[in-house]
Amino acid sequence: GAGVSQSPRYKVAKRGQDVALRCDPISGHVSLFWYQQALGQGPEFLTYFQNEAQLDKSGLPSDRFFAERPEGSVSTLKIQRTQQEDSAVYLCASSRVVGGPGETQYFGPGTRLLVL
Amino acid sequence: TQLLEQSPQFLSIQEGENLTVYCNSSSVFSSLQWYRQEPGEGPVLLVTVVTGGEVKKLKRLTFQFGDARKDSSLHITAAQPGDTGLYLCAGALGGYQKVTFGIGTKLQVIP
Repeated sequence: GAGVSQSPRYKVAKRGQDVALRCDPISGHVSLFWYQQALGQGPEFLTYFQNEAQLDKSGLPSDRFFAERPEGSVSTLKIQRTQQEDSAVYLCASSRVVGGPGETQYFGPGTRLLVL
Repeated sequence: TQLLEQSPQFLSIQEGENLTVYCNSSSVFSSLQWYRQEPGEGPVLLVTVVTGGEVKKLKRLTFQFGDARKDSSLHITAAQPGDTGLYLCAGALGGYQKVTFGIGTKLQVIP
């Protein structure tokens, strides 16, 4: 594809509801990252995949957050029992290869989640 | 406590003025990146600096990486309204390029 796409672009959820956010990375990109960006803040790392392997999930704020990338392409970030503090923009980024200083991450437009 | 401190956080200037945005840390980074983010969009990479002391120019934008690879600056010459946006610095500590972002500098250029 031309770029990283994310869906839905906007999601309103009632507190306690489960949500699933989808990321379609650039075709062939090995690395995939999820970030959370709260209002007025920079993005914060959530988790990293190399192909289908989740190599780092140190940024996931709680066990309510779960991410997967079963076939090494599309990824889904799932949030269970959403809380108001989960309201944020969730950004997905992909890069062509693994590691190396200066490897470019390409970001999607994000999913704006609002938990009422 | 932010790993990367950006300053100023907000900047409103007139078209044609020059400005500098700073990104500072106590950590040494393998690379440092500058992004620009517009409302409703993801960050877009402007430049990556890798070598201590490195200077890169992108039209009216000049980026510098500190000698010790702990800090960086972004200088914009003759700012234009199209430069308006959120400027983010992000440092990579190595490995698979997990990056840590600063809080950002929100720039407004008034025509």
